[in-house]
Amino acid sequence: AQSVAQPEDQVNVAEGNPLTVKCTYSVSGNPYLFWYVQYPNRGLQFLLKYITGDNLVKGSYGFEAEFNKSQTSFHLKKPSALVSDSALYFCAVRDYEGGKLIFGQGTELSVKP
Amino acid sequence: DGGITQSPKYLFRKEGQNVTLSCEQNLNHDAMYWYRQDPGQGLRLIYYSQIVNDFQKGDIAEGYSVSREKKESFPLTVTSAQKNPTAFYLCASSLESGGPSYEQYFGPGTRLTVT
Repeated sequence: AQSVAQPEDQVNVAEGNPLTVKCTYSVSGNPYLFWYVQYPNRGLQFLLKYITGDNLVKGSYGFEAEFNKSQTSFHLKKPSALVSDSALYFCAVRDYEGGKLIFGQGTELSVKP
Repeated sequence: DGGITQSPKYLFRKEGQNVTLSCEQNLNHDAMYWYRQDPGQGLRLIYYSQIVNDFQKGDIAEGYSVSREKKESFPLTVTSAQKNPTAFYLCASSLESGGPSYEQYFGPGTRLTVT
């Protein structure tokens, strides 16, 4: 079965510092990986995805993610964090059978001034 | 959230009552999904539909029902059989049901409280 794990419930970063939100996956074939962000009491917003090609994927709001096949990871990164980046971040992997997205538990990112 | 509307934003019901959550999309997407979100548990799939008049159970379908009579609409009914219905409900859609590369777009959610 395909699965995705986010090992950190919370990540704390100072404004201006780089941030990383970790995600690892388990799939039987080529993975289709996604990152979403959720602000309080809102729906999820799509940030970026990896389908094929370059291992470094660039997305919205200055975020990027690095796909590492050998480590089965897809970590979300940003060179300089903003207080407004504080939110809940979800990693997801696509299930081939029905197009279902399988989500990680989420990581709460807190960026302090 | 653009293109997918969910109503109402907040919903309060008494235990034992059925309640229907609305989800409409104007993105011309084929597939639609319902998720339930509880604190610390991520998102769990309730039902999904790849085409009109067809839908499949997700991981936690018990106590829920859906219909897909129109491409744009995918209402979710939370029945009295759902033992713990209080949660945040999210609707989503994607362009092509069988294509794994397409991302899902989410509505703003409905927070249901049952007392």
